[in-house]
Amino acid sequence: EIVMTQSPATLSVSPGERATLSCRASQSVSSNLAWYQQKPGQAPRLLIYGASTRATGIPARFSGSGSVTEFTLTISSLQSEDFAVYYCQQYNNWPRTFGQGTKVEIK
Amino acid sequence: QVQLVESGGGVVQPGRSLRLSCAASGFTFSNYALHWVRQAPGKGLEWVAVISYDGSNDGSNKYYTDSVKGRFTISRDNSKNTVYLQMNSLRAEDTAVYYCARDIGGSGYFYFDYWGQGTLVTVSS
Repeated sequence: EIVMTQSPATLSVSPGERATLSCRASQSVSSNLAWYQQKPGQAPRLLIYGASTRATGIPARFSGSGSVTEFTLTISSLQSEDFAVYYCQQYNNWPRTFGQGTKVEIK
Repeated sequence: QVQLVESGGGVVQPGRSLRLSCAASGFTFSNYALHWVRQAPGKGLEWVAVISYDGSNDGSNKYYTDSVKGRFTISRDNSKNTVYLQMNSLRAEDTAVYYCARDIGGSGYFYFDYWGQGTLVTVSS
């Protein structure tokens, strides 16, 4: 099983600032990496797939990068609606696995 | 618009069974693979199972996470636009919100573009 490790666990950021979230895979997942956003009491929402492609309707302030084992989600200028938990997920191997999540909170 | 609506959750004793349903609408159901993903209270996401678009019963188009193999069975009824998760021999550690999620493809090899709102399963005596 591929273990996905996200860091940091919690990120405190002020509105308007940049947030950088990391995700590391225990073995290569190529570019088969997705990012999801989850707000309290809601289902996850797809943000990024293929490591760097924004899903339909996702604002340009969200960007993804990386390949193989190291990935990054960047939110260029945090808006109030962006405070949430973010998960990475690999879809290169079975079973599909998620990182433990990074909570982005208001500083 | 794409909608996935889960049902069937509730409180169940350890060792008992429960069947979850996920009713889909707004897309051609038979063309897509469907997954179940769960989230224990206050915890992260855990992928559970997937069934491909044709739902063939030879076992080649269904995958499960190890912790549910032999206990959970995923199935689908394309005539009812519904996917199911039959959960047997339930354990306390199966307590979670169970989400139904659509794969972007028919094989189940990709990521999840739409999610339901989830249904809570609590395993407790």
